Amino acid sequence: QSALTQPRSVSGSPGQSVTISCTGTSSDVGGYTYVSWYQQHPGKAPKLVMYNVNKRPSGVPDRFSGSKSGNTASLTISGLQAEDEADYYCCAYAGSYTWVFGGGTRLTVL
Amino acid sequence: EVQLVQSGTEVKKPGESLKISCKGSGYSFTSHWIAWARQMPGKGLEWMGIIYPRDSDTRYSPSFQGQVTISADKSISTAYVQWNNLKASDTAMYYCARCDTGGCHSLEIWGQGTMVTVSS
Repeated sequence: QSALTQPRSVSGSPGQSVTISCTGTSSDVGGYTYVSWYQQHPGKAPKLVMYNVNKRPSGVPDRFSGSKSGNTASLTISGLQAEDEADYYCCAYAGSYTWVFGGGTRLTVL
Repeated sequence: EVQLVQSGTEVKKPGESLKISCKGSGYSFTSHWIAWARQMPGKGLEWMGIIYPRDSDTRYSPSFQGQVTISADKSISTAYVQWNNLKASDTAMYYCARCDTGGCHSLEIWGQGTMVTVSS
């Protein structure tokens, strides 16, 4: 079970949009609608920001959106703000009660 | 307030045993799976396994099967991860998280993490 593939880093200026990709296989990302995304600030626990591909938990700004095409899921953050700077991890169900995380993406707000 | 509170920092020697805990409050502990994840220093998250506290049904990631034991005591709303023979490579932050009600399609609430350091 290999980790999902994410870019190591992305960056954008305040107000811009960035998209973080998460590529897996037909056995995980492509096989189910159970893709979630987590935001982790340095020294803090992760926080859920997207679930079931494109559902936002209560309290997460609508600047965050999710999508999926084939074996690749994406998290888009529009109207970048300084507080969005963090590490982002995708996670997908891989069947038989197993899940797999992506390797993580560092978002830098320039 | 729904929260998961984990036990404190641990410093152990190789070969020692350890059990860390995760106590849930503010919700029905037996109604949600609890997941455990590892984060080695400077690295990403890794899925370890999940447990359903109502009946202690436990599922492990293949990478962690046989390496750790996940358990729960529903009478005190607490889940655990146990090691019987710690290695230096077990040095990491360990997080518990509450799964959503639909099984475990997302990790809704996270504990604050327990740092485990294994060093001679």
